[in-house]
Amino acid sequence: DSGVTQTPKHLITATGQRVTLRCSPRSGDLSVYWYQQSLDQGLQFLIQYYNGEERAKGNILERFSAQQFPDLHSELNLSSLELGDSALYFCASSVGLNGQETQYFGPGTRLLVL
Amino acid sequence: SQQGEEDPQALSIQEGENATMNCSYKTSINNLQWYRQNSGRGLVHLILIRSNEREKHSGRLRVTLDTSKKSSSLLITASRAADTASYFCATAGNYGQNFVFGPGTRLSVLP
Repeated sequence: DSGVTQTPKHLITATGQRVTLRCSPRSGDLSVYWYQQSLDQGLQFLIQYYNGEERAKGNILERFSAQQFPDLHSELNLSSLELGDSALYFCASSVGLNGQETQYFGPGTRLLVL
Repeated sequence: SQQGEEDPQALSIQEGENATMNCSYKTSINNLQWYRQNSGRGLVHLILIRSNEREKHSGRLRVTLDTSKKSSSLLITASRAADTASYFCATAGNYGQNFVFGPGTRLSVLP
């Protein structure tokens, strides 16, 4: 158990809908990272938050947004969903801000868009 | 383009044999890390090797790093069926860039 929790575990929704994925980092970790893993794209870094502030952006679509709250949990919002958004979404956390440390991954949310 | 590239893409061995996976990267790094992922689950950190280190051991794992060749290898000795998983290398740059994961090596250890 990494100490990172993600909810929900599974999500099935329809195209055009909006969903929110939630992540709670390990106790003491200030950084939260979001990744998308699909069969054809592999593991793609989406975005990082550190202590409530956006720190780095990767291949995140404009239809996707995230935030980190004062209690350090984070939410990833996916809107106007398309079939191609079906994937595993992971969050990870680490202590520091520079993305060089060990990251601890949650179990993931499996999103299926029908 | 991908920073880390593992090879082979897939590897199938018998229990008790050693498994070697390689990772190549393109730019200078602060450190390189190996992660394991069991099917459909989260990634688990295995080992971190810094750019000024050449070899590191952790249990049955041995990692080497050759910065001149921009490559790393992960050796799993005396493999077990429970080692069946995908293995990813992730590189961390020197300037605060975030991790870049390679496409992974899928290891199957047959009983």
